[in-house]
Amino acid sequence: DAMVIQNPRYQVTQFGKPVTLSCSQTLNHNVMYWYQQKSSQAPKLLFHYYDKDFNNEADTPDNFQSRRPNTSFCFLDIRSPGLGDAAMYLCATSRDTGGGYEQYFGPGTRLTVT
Amino acid sequence: GEDVEQSLFLSVREGDSSVINCTYTDSSSTYLYWYKQEPGAGLQLLTYIFSNMDMKQDQRLTVLLNKKDKHLSLRIADTQTGDSAIYFCAVLNNQAGTALIFGKGTTLSVSS
Repeated sequence: DAMVIQNPRYQVTQFGKPVTLSCSQTLNHNVMYWYQQKSSQAPKLLFHYYDKDFNNEADTPDNFQSRRPNTSFCFLDIRSPGLGDAAMYLCATSRDTGGGYEQYFGPGTRLTVT
Repeated sequence: GEDVEQSLFLSVREGDSSVINCTYTDSSSTYLYWYKQEPGAGLQLLTYIFSNMDMKQDQRLTVLLNKKDKHLSLRIADTQTGDSAIYFCAVLNNQAGTALIFGKGTTLSVSS
């Protein structure tokens, strides 16, 4: 009964080679988020979708893009991964935005850049 | 911007109480959360407190909020080995958008 699913769990890519991470949800939530968590660091929000509306955080590099083709799926595209992009990428969903709405997290995808 | 600080490690013996502390800088933070992350798993929301509350208790968990000092704590009573995990404090300023601002996490180690 997994609610937020991330694939793959581990991804290895080469420096500069585009990579796509996938997130799907069975909760029918309106909002989907992508966080980046580097080793021993706090998770940091990259962007989120409210339905089809994309909301980018001000300091998210242009190298990171996202797509949400339907309610259930959201993708994180890294156009030209650098060594500094190696991290755990966490997807989360919530019914609505705002503090009273719990964010449900997936298990994460650990990205290695060689 | 908002900054959230936590101590990195805490080690306790099984059966003792654990207290994990967090400080934040934005006094406008409206919701304050505690998340748990077990190895290989995502973040799991344990509990949260709204800024007009001082305390919230949920079974073995007690959250204390000191708004004057911008200090949040999570107390786990009768700590078990299954409580070993990383605990993240996170805050949200409802007026500033949707971004949860996380601390770096406190690794709790419980020995039997």
